[in-house]
Amino acid sequence: KAGVTQTPRYLIKTRGQQVTLSCSPISGHRSVSWYQQTPGQGLQFLFEYFSETQRNKGNFPGRFSGRQFSNSRSEMNVSTLELGDSALYLCASSETGENQPQHFGDGTRLSIL
Amino acid sequence: DQQVKQNSPSLSVQEGRISILNCDYTNSMFDYFLWYKKYPAEGPTFLISISSIKDKNEDGRFTVFLNKSAKHLSLHIVPSQPGDSAVYFCAASTSNSGGSNYKLTFGKGTLLTVNP
Repeated sequence: KAGVTQTPRYLIKTRGQQVTLSCSPISGHRSVSWYQQTPGQGLQFLFEYFSETQRNKGNFPGRFSGRQFSNSRSEMNVSTLELGDSALYLCASSETGENQPQHFGDGTRLSIL
Repeated sequence: DQQVKQNSPSLSVQEGRISILNCDYTNSMFDYFLWYKKYPAEGPTFLISISSIKDKNEDGRFTVFLNKSAKHLSLHIVPSQPGDSAVYFCAASTSNSGGSNYKLTFGKGTLLTVNP
């Protein structure tokens, strides 16, 4: 079974731009979560989607948004990029999300210049 | 407010010996706990989980112990192998109805080095 696939693996942007990251979950998994990993804050929850609906959102500004498509694939968007948005963005999937292991992709490394 | 804490940033053990990684939590609503392993340039890999109705779960060389009264869990790796060298993350979630069960709260990780 293929794992969680994230594209692109690396991205370089400048301040003020916007970016869209993509995630394809494991086949059959309907819950997709996004996390941000930075050296100072560790792994922090961004949001979770199930059947195209956002069920939970972390403590991030409105510049961070996401969506999920009918095939469970998900995208996250960050607008008006700031230097502090430089991070590894990780996507994880599980069958339904409730009390189940989440399986992670290898992430997108976003660098803001 | 860090709800999941891994107080040891690093741990070094000899091959063949036991590795014990510790994790403490403050949120008494947490009832599902997981351990992940992460190599550089890769995403976290799920290792083992435990529900709060249990106090021990075992899978091969990996055993997780949960002490609810102390709000403490630990991961035991026996025997440790050089390939186990990685950063280990403890994570927790809650099954309350507020939607928090879809969110994992992570500790900041412990770097395990297993020396040959």
